[in-house]
Amino acid sequence: KAGVTQTPRYLIKTRGQQVTLSCSPISGHRSVSWYQQTPGQGLQFLFEYFSETQRNKGNFPGRFSGRQFSNSRSEMNVSTLELGDSALYLCASSLAGQSYNEQFFGPGTRLTVL
Amino acid sequence: QKEVEQDPGPLSVPEGAIVSLNCTYSNSAFQYFMWYRQYSRKGPELLMYTYSSGNKEDGRFTAQVDKSSKYISLFIRDSQPSDSATYLCAMSEYFGGSNYKLTFGKGTLLTVNP
Repeated sequence: KAGVTQTPRYLIKTRGQQVTLSCSPISGHRSVSWYQQTPGQGLQFLFEYFSETQRNKGNFPGRFSGRQFSNSRSEMNVSTLELGDSALYLCASSLAGQSYNEQFFGPGTRLTVL
Repeated sequence: QKEVEQDPGPLSVPEGAIVSLNCTYSNSAFQYFMWYRQYSRKGPELLMYTYSSGNKEDGRFTAQVDKSSKYISLFIRDSQPSDSATYLCAMSEYFGGSNYKLTFGKGTLLTVNP
């Protein structure tokens, strides 16, 4: 069974631009969660999508948004990029949600904002 | 006070040593307690999870939870160079149905020297 895939793996953008990251979950998984990982703040929850609906949301500004398609693939968008948005963005998929033993993480997209 | 506190390390030990990794938390609603391992340039992978206070053993790994003290630990016996990674504690809060939310510690970087 293929794991969670994320594209692109690396991205360099400049301040003010916008970016879209993609996540393909494990086949059959309906929940996709997005996280931001930085050395200073660690792994922080952005949002979770389940069956095309946002179910949970972390404490990030509205510049961070996402969506999920009918095939469970998910995209995350960051508008008006800031230097502080440089981070590793991880998505995780699960059958039903962020339960204790079901989340599988992708390798992440490394975003650098110049 | 952050919901989850984890000593960032780094921690460097010789091969064969016993390693102790720890997290404290403040949210009494956390129900599941997990440890993830993250190798460089990879996403986190679930190592162990526990629900109740006490110990859970899996090979060389033992997870310990003390809910009264709001303290969890991961012990690694006979540590190997392949254990070198960042270890993240995570805790899950339940919101009903299949709706959970994970909160992570910042991670401890462990290096096991041959």
